[in-house]
Amino acid sequence: KNEVEQSPQNLTAQEGEFITINCSYSVGISALHWLQQHPGGGIVSLFMLSSGKKKHGRLIATINIQEKHSSLHITASHPRDSAVYICAVPGNQFYFGTGTSLTVIP
Amino acid sequence: DAMVIQNPRYQVTQFGKPVTLSCSQTLNHNVMYWYQQKSSQAPKLLFHYYDKDFNNEADTPDNFQSRRPNTSFCFLDIRSPGLGDAAMYLCATSRAGPGQGYEQYFGPGTRLTVT
Repeated sequence: KNEVEQSPQNLTAQEGEFITINCSYSVGISALHWLQQHPGGGIVSLFMLSSGKKKHGRLIATINIQEKHSSLHITASHPRDSAVYICAVPGNQFYFGTGTSLTVIP
Repeated sequence: DAMVIQNPRYQVTQFGKPVTLSCSQTLNHNVMYWYQQKSSQAPKLLFHYYDKDFNNEADTPDNFQSRRPNTSFCFLDIRSPGLGDAAMYLCATSRAGPGQGYEQYFGPGTRLTVT
């Protein structure tokens, strides 16, 4: 059983669409991380949040600690948003979701 | 300014030929991590240093070693690379350990090819 589950695994959207990626976890956490990885590239940390909501540009992350669930939203999606989005939670080590591969078509 | 730097970005080595990957950080973080990431998979933690305290994951092969000569630098040594070791190797840092709620900062990764 994975400590972190993400859905969907793959997502294709038209440019401009509103996108939601979900993350559920089973371990107790102090904070949850959303990461972005472009094809063949390294990982960039987008958000670290422990409650409520955070917004950065067109990206919004929310978390419900009681339900052990977080969502990453992208408003007005753009082809440059195409990447793998990974949810990670800290425990004894960092537990990573398997990622959501997003493709935004012009 | 780059905060976690990995060199080289791409490394090609021959089967069985030792290789060293480098990571440096300008954040003065206490913890440095090495992850292995294979295609379409999540990163897998190999080991981490909390200051000079080395923590090896139970399933990390003996073929993988690490050194941290000072706060800023950490090295990943692969003593006898096999074809199955071809992967992206990611270095990350954080101010304290995973359970303490600090953000991880990732380097750009080194893509290792074994021929």
